[in-house]
Amino acid sequence: AAGVIQSPRHLIKEKRETATLKCYPIPRHDTVYWYQQGPGQDPQFLISFYEKMQSDKGSIPDRFSAQQFSDYHSELNMSSLELGDSALYFCASSLDSQETQYFGPGTRLLVL
Amino acid sequence: RKEVEQDPGPFNVPEGATVAFNCTYSNSASQSFFWYRQDCRKEPKLLMSVYSSGNEDGRFTAQLNRASQYISLLIRDSKLSDSATYLCVVKNHNTDKLIFGTGTRLQVFP
Repeated sequence: AAGVIQSPRHLIKEKRETATLKCYPIPRHDTVYWYQQGPGQDPQFLISFYEKMQSDKGSIPDRFSAQQFSDYHSELNMSSLELGDSALYFCASSLDSQETQYFGPGTRLLVL
Repeated sequence: RKEVEQDPGPFNVPEGATVAFNCTYSNSASQSFFWYRQDCRKEPKLLMSVYSSGNEDGRFTAQLNRASQYISLLIRDSKLSDSATYLCVVKNHNTDKLIFGTGTRLQVFP
C-alpha cells in the first residue's frame, strides 16, 4: 500500500539559511500533520491542514510556515534556521482529522 | 509534568517472555488512545488503537482504564523483532495533535 512520502530524506543547512520540506500524503487522505522530533525527544506537533486550510496549530515557531496545496501535498518552510532546529521532521496524513494518523519516513535536518 | 507519562525502560527480556508496559495521562478530556512503535531513527508506526473494552491483536493486548487514566500494552511470546520503542499516544477532543509519551524501550534478547 502507498505510504506518506517525504522529501528530502536528509538535509544539511547552515545557520540563518532557509529550508523547504515536502510531504505527499497517502492517496485520498485530505489531512496532513507536521511533527518535530528532537534527539532523544518524543514527536511534538507543529501544525495541521484539512482540505487546504490550517486546521490546528501547535508549537510551531514564527520562523516556520506551512501550507497544503490543491493536490493535498504540503510544504513546511523554515527560515532563519537555528542550531536547535536540527531534528527529524515527520509528516503524517489521515482520511480526515478524526482518523488514524500515518507517518512518513521523516526528513532529517541538520543545521550547522 | 508531561501530559502522557511512561516508564522509559529499557525492558530487557528473553525471547518468548511476556512483557507489559503502562502509561498514564493527565487530561481527563482525552478521547482517543493509541500505541505506536518506533524503531531507531524511523517513523512512528501504529501498533494498535486502544478501546475502552480492551482489544487484542495477535500477541498484543491493550487495555484502557478511563477512571484511573491508565493505558497498558501486553506483549506475549516476545520476538526479537519486537525490539523497539513503544509510544503511548493520546488525542484530545477538538484538536488534531497526537500527544506522545517519551516511549518505553524494549530489547528482546535470544
